[in-house]
Amino acid sequence: AQTVTQSQPEMSVQEAETVTLSCTYDTSENNYYLFWYKQPPSRQMILVIRQEAYKQQNATENRFSVNFQKAAKSFSLKISDSQLGDTAMYFCAFTLANAGGTSYGKLTFGQGTILTVHP
Amino acid sequence: DGGITQSPKYLFRKEGQNVTLSCEQNLNHDAMYWYRQDPGQGLRLIYYSQIVNDFQKGDIAEGYSVSREKKESFPLTVTSAQKNPTAFYLCASSKGDRQTPEQYFGPGTRLTVT
Repeated sequence: AQTVTQSQPEMSVQEAETVTLSCTYDTSENNYYLFWYKQPPSRQMILVIRQEAYKQQNATENRFSVNFQKAAKSFSLKISDSQLGDTAMYFCAFTLANAGGTSYGKLTFGQGTILTVHP
Repeated sequence: DGGITQSPKYLFRKEGQNVTLSCEQNLNHDAMYWYRQDPGQGLRLIYYSQIVNDFQKGDIAEGYSVSREKKESFPLTVTSAQKNPTAFYLCASSKGDRQTPEQYFGPGTRLTVT
Protein backbone atom coordinates (compact mmCIF):
# COMPACT_ATOMS: atom_id res chain seq x y z
CA ALA A 1 0.00 0.00 0.00
CA GLN A 2 1.09 3.52 -0.71
CA THR A 3 1.59 5.96 2.14
CA VAL A 4 2.20 9.71 2.25
CA THR A 5 3.75 11.42 5.25
CA GLN A 6 3.84 15.12 6.06
CA SER A 7 5.95 15.57 9.16
CA GLN A 8 5.21 19.25 9.79
CA PRO A 9 1.74 19.72 11.33
CA GLU A 10 2.14 23.52 11.33
CA MET A 11 4.43 26.09 9.73
CA SER A 12 4.52 29.84 9.72
CA VAL A 13 6.26 32.40 7.53
CA GLN A 14 6.46 36.16 7.20
CA GLU A 15 4.89 37.78 4.17
CA ALA A 16 7.32 37.98 1.21
CA GLU A 17 9.59 35.27 2.60
CA THR A 18 10.13 31.71 1.40
CA VAL A 19 8.89 28.54 3.06
CA THR A 20 9.33 24.86 2.27
CA LEU A 21 6.81 22.15 3.16
CA SER A 22 8.01 18.55 3.37
CA CYS A 23 6.45 15.36 2.08
CA THR A 24 7.72 11.80 1.83
CA TYR A 25 5.95 8.87 0.27
CA ASP A 26 6.38 5.15 0.07
CA THR A 27 5.73 3.00 -2.98
CA SER A 28 7.37 0.13 -4.79
CA GLU A 29 5.89 1.24 -8.12
CA ASN A 30 7.69 3.25 -10.78
CA ASN A 31 4.84 5.12 -12.47
CA TYR A 32 2.93 7.67 -10.45
CA TYR A 33 1.99 11.29 -10.02
CA LEU A 34 2.48 13.55 -7.04
CA PHE A 35 0.42 16.61 -6.20
CA TRP A 36 0.22 19.46 -3.75
CA TYR A 37 -3.28 20.67 -2.94
CA LYS A 38 -4.19 23.74 -0.92
CA GLN A 39 -7.26 23.96 1.34
CA PRO A 40 -7.94 27.53 2.53
CA PRO A 41 -10.47 28.32 5.29
CA SER A 42 -13.26 28.03 2.69
CA ARG A 43 -12.36 24.29 2.61
CA GLN A 44 -12.28 24.23 -1.19
CA MET A 45 -9.47 21.91 -2.34
CA ILE A 46 -7.33 23.65 -4.94
CA LEU A 47 -4.60 22.04 -7.02
CA VAL A 48 -1.30 23.86 -6.55
CA ILE A 49 1.15 21.81 -8.58
CA ARG A 50 1.74 18.32 -9.97
CA GLN A 51 4.81 16.23 -10.75
CA GLU A 52 5.09 13.24 -13.04
CA ALA A 53 7.40 10.57 -11.66
CA TYR A 54 8.99 9.95 -15.06
CA LYS A 55 10.09 13.58 -15.34
CA GLN A 56 13.40 14.50 -13.73
CA GLN A 57 12.73 18.21 -14.04
CA ASN A 58 11.07 19.76 -11.03
CA ALA A 59 7.66 21.31 -11.67
CA THR A 60 7.10 25.03 -11.17
CA GLU A 61 3.95 27.15 -11.16
CA ASN A 62 4.66 30.85 -10.63
CA ARG A 63 5.71 31.22 -6.96
CA PHE A 64 5.34 27.50 -6.28
CA SER A 65 8.01 24.93 -7.07
CA VAL A 66 8.81 21.41 -5.97
CA ASN A 67 11.97 19.50 -5.14
CA PHE A 68 11.29 15.97 -6.36
CA GLN A 69 13.84 13.40 -5.21
CA LYS A 70 12.63 10.08 -6.62
CA ALA A 71 15.29 7.88 -5.05
CA ALA A 72 14.69 9.42 -1.64
CA LYS A 73 10.89 9.40 -2.20
CA SER A 74 10.71 13.01 -1.22
CA PHE A 75 8.49 15.73 -2.67
CA SER A 76 8.77 19.13 -0.99
CA LEU A 77 6.91 22.32 -1.92
CA LYS A 78 8.64 25.69 -1.92
CA ILE A 79 6.54 28.84 -1.77
CA SER A 80 8.43 31.98 -2.69
CA ASP A 81 7.36 35.54 -1.91
CA SER A 82 4.67 34.26 0.47
CA GLN A 83 1.37 36.11 0.43
CA LEU A 84 -1.39 36.36 3.01
CA GLY A 85 -3.63 34.43 0.63
CA ASP A 86 -1.29 31.46 0.87
CA THR A 87 -2.54 30.81 4.40
CA ALA A 88 -4.15 27.38 4.15
CA MET A 89 -3.74 23.71 4.88
CA TYR A 90 -1.48 22.05 2.31
CA PHE A 91 -1.82 18.40 1.38
CA CYS A 92 0.64 16.22 -0.46
CA ALA A 93 -1.06 13.50 -2.51
CA PHE A 94 -0.02 10.50 -4.61
CA THR A 95 -1.65 8.42 -7.32
CA LEU A 96 -0.38 5.41 -9.23
CA ALA A 97 -0.36 5.32 -13.02
CA ASN A 98 0.10 2.67 -15.67
CA ALA A 99 3.04 2.57 -18.07
CA GLY A 100 1.11 4.77 -20.51
CA GLY A 101 0.70 7.50 -17.93
CA THR A 102 -2.99 6.98 -17.24
CA SER A 103 -3.71 7.57 -13.60
CA TYR A 104 -5.48 4.83 -11.66
CA GLY A 105 -7.28 7.65 -9.97
CA LYS A 106 -7.13 6.82 -6.30
CA LEU A 107 -5.44 9.64 -4.43
CA THR A 108 -3.63 8.94 -1.18
CA PHE A 109 -3.25 12.05 0.97
CA GLY A 110 -0.87 13.04 3.71
CA GLN A 111 -2.17 14.44 6.99
CA GLY A 112 -1.62 18.03 5.91
CA THR A 113 0.47 21.02 7.02
CA ILE A 114 -1.22 24.18 8.25
CA LEU A 115 0.66 27.16 6.83
CA THR A 116 0.12 30.61 8.31
CA VAL A 117 1.52 33.67 6.55
CA HIS A 118 2.03 36.62 8.90
CA PRO A 119 1.96 40.24 7.74
CA ASP B 1 -18.91 27.60 -16.18
CA GLY B 2 -17.46 24.12 -15.90
CA GLY B 3 -17.15 22.63 -12.46
CA ILE B 4 -18.34 20.35 -9.71
CA THR B 5 -21.30 21.15 -7.53
CA GLN B 6 -22.22 19.56 -4.24
CA SER B 7 -25.42 20.12 -2.38
CA PRO B 8 -26.35 20.97 0.22
CA LYS B 9 -23.45 22.83 1.82
CA TYR B 10 -24.64 21.92 5.33
CA LEU B 11 -26.77 18.93 6.23
CA PHE B 12 -28.19 17.91 9.58
CA ARG B 13 -29.71 14.52 10.32
CA LYS B 14 -30.85 12.48 13.25
CA GLU B 15 -29.05 9.29 14.11
CA GLY B 16 -30.58 6.28 12.37
CA GLN B 17 -31.60 8.14 9.22
CA ASN B 18 -30.06 7.58 5.81
CA VAL B 19 -28.98 10.70 3.96
CA THR B 20 -27.90 11.28 0.34
CA LEU B 21 -25.26 13.81 -0.70
CA SER B 22 -25.40 15.14 -4.22
CA CYS B 23 -22.44 15.54 -6.59
CA GLU B 24 -22.73 16.78 -10.17
CA GLN B 25 -20.01 17.65 -12.69
CA ASN B 26 -20.12 19.20 -16.15
CA LEU B 27 -16.44 18.70 -16.94
CA ASN B 28 -17.11 15.59 -19.04
CA HIS B 29 -14.86 13.59 -16.73
CA ASP B 30 -15.19 9.83 -16.71
CA ALA B 31 -13.99 9.28 -13.14
CA MET B 32 -15.63 10.51 -9.95
CA TYR B 33 -14.68 10.08 -6.29
CA TRP B 34 -16.00 10.58 -2.77
CA TYR B 35 -13.69 11.48 0.10
CA ARG B 36 -14.27 12.01 3.79
CA GLN B 37 -12.32 14.56 5.82
CA ASP B 38 -12.28 14.60 9.62
CA PRO B 39 -11.02 17.60 11.62
CA GLY B 40 -7.31 18.22 11.20
CA GLN B 41 -6.85 15.20 8.97
CA GLY B 42 -6.26 14.31 5.37
CA LEU B 43 -8.84 12.95 2.99
CA ARG B 44 -9.82 9.30 2.90
CA LEU B 45 -11.37 7.63 -0.14
CA ILE B 46 -14.88 6.22 0.32
CA TYR B 47 -15.91 5.12 -3.20
CA TYR B 48 -14.86 5.84 -6.74
CA SER B 49 -16.24 5.25 -10.22
CA GLN B 50 -14.25 5.23 -13.44
CA ILE B 51 -17.18 4.65 -15.75
CA VAL B 52 -20.96 4.80 -15.72
CA ASN B 53 -22.69 1.87 -13.99
CA ASP B 54 -19.47 0.76 -12.31
CA PHE B 55 -17.87 1.74 -9.00
CA GLN B 56 -15.35 0.39 -6.51
CA LYS B 57 -14.93 0.57 -2.77
CA GLY B 58 -12.26 2.82 -1.39
CA ASP B 59 -10.52 2.56 1.95
CA ILE B 60 -13.52 3.33 4.18
CA ALA B 61 -16.63 2.15 2.28
CA GLU B 62 -18.45 0.53 5.21
CA GLY B 63 -21.74 2.27 5.95
CA TYR B 64 -21.82 4.10 2.60
CA SER B 65 -23.36 3.37 -0.79
CA VAL B 66 -23.16 5.03 -4.21
CA SER B 67 -24.67 4.85 -7.69
CA ARG B 68 -23.40 6.02 -11.07
CA GLU B 69 -26.33 6.00 -13.48
CA LYS B 70 -25.17 9.08 -15.37
CA LYS B 71 -21.72 10.34 -16.25
CA GLU B 72 -22.45 13.69 -14.62
CA SER B 73 -23.75 12.43 -11.29
CA PHE B 74 -22.34 10.37 -8.42
CA PRO B 75 -24.55 10.57 -5.31
CA LEU B 76 -23.35 9.22 -1.97
CA THR B 77 -25.73 7.74 0.60
CA VAL B 78 -24.62 7.71 4.21
CA THR B 79 -26.55 4.89 5.84
CA SER B 80 -27.46 4.33 9.45
CA ALA B 81 -24.77 1.62 9.51
CA GLN B 82 -22.04 4.26 9.37
CA LYS B 83 -20.86 4.56 12.97
CA ASN B 84 -19.39 8.06 12.86
CA PRO B 85 -21.02 9.89 9.95
CA THR B 86 -20.37 13.45 11.11
CA ALA B 87 -17.64 14.76 8.78
CA PHE B 88 -16.87 16.95 5.78
CA TYR B 89 -17.50 15.14 2.48
CA LEU B 90 -15.74 16.06 -0.74
CA CYS B 91 -16.58 14.93 -4.24
CA ALA B 92 -13.99 15.01 -7.02
CA SER B 93 -13.68 14.14 -10.68
CA SER B 94 -10.86 13.57 -13.15
CA LYS B 95 -10.05 12.65 -16.72
CA GLY B 96 -7.14 10.60 -15.41
CA ASP B 97 -5.04 10.61 -18.55
CA ARG B 98 -1.42 11.67 -18.94
CA GLN B 99 -2.38 15.22 -19.86
CA THR B 100 -4.72 15.74 -16.89
CA PRO B 101 -4.20 13.17 -14.15
CA GLU B 102 -5.25 15.52 -11.37
CA GLN B 103 -8.59 15.50 -9.58
CA TYR B 104 -10.82 18.54 -9.28
CA PHE B 105 -12.92 18.98 -6.17
CA GLY B 106 -16.35 20.31 -5.35
CA PRO B 107 -16.96 22.73 -2.47
CA GLY B 108 -17.92 19.95 -0.03
CA THR B 109 -20.86 19.10 2.22
CA ARG B 110 -20.64 19.33 5.99
CA LEU B 111 -22.78 16.55 7.49
CA THR B 112 -23.74 16.64 11.15
CA VAL B 113 -25.59 13.69 12.68
CA THR B 114 -26.99 14.00 16.21
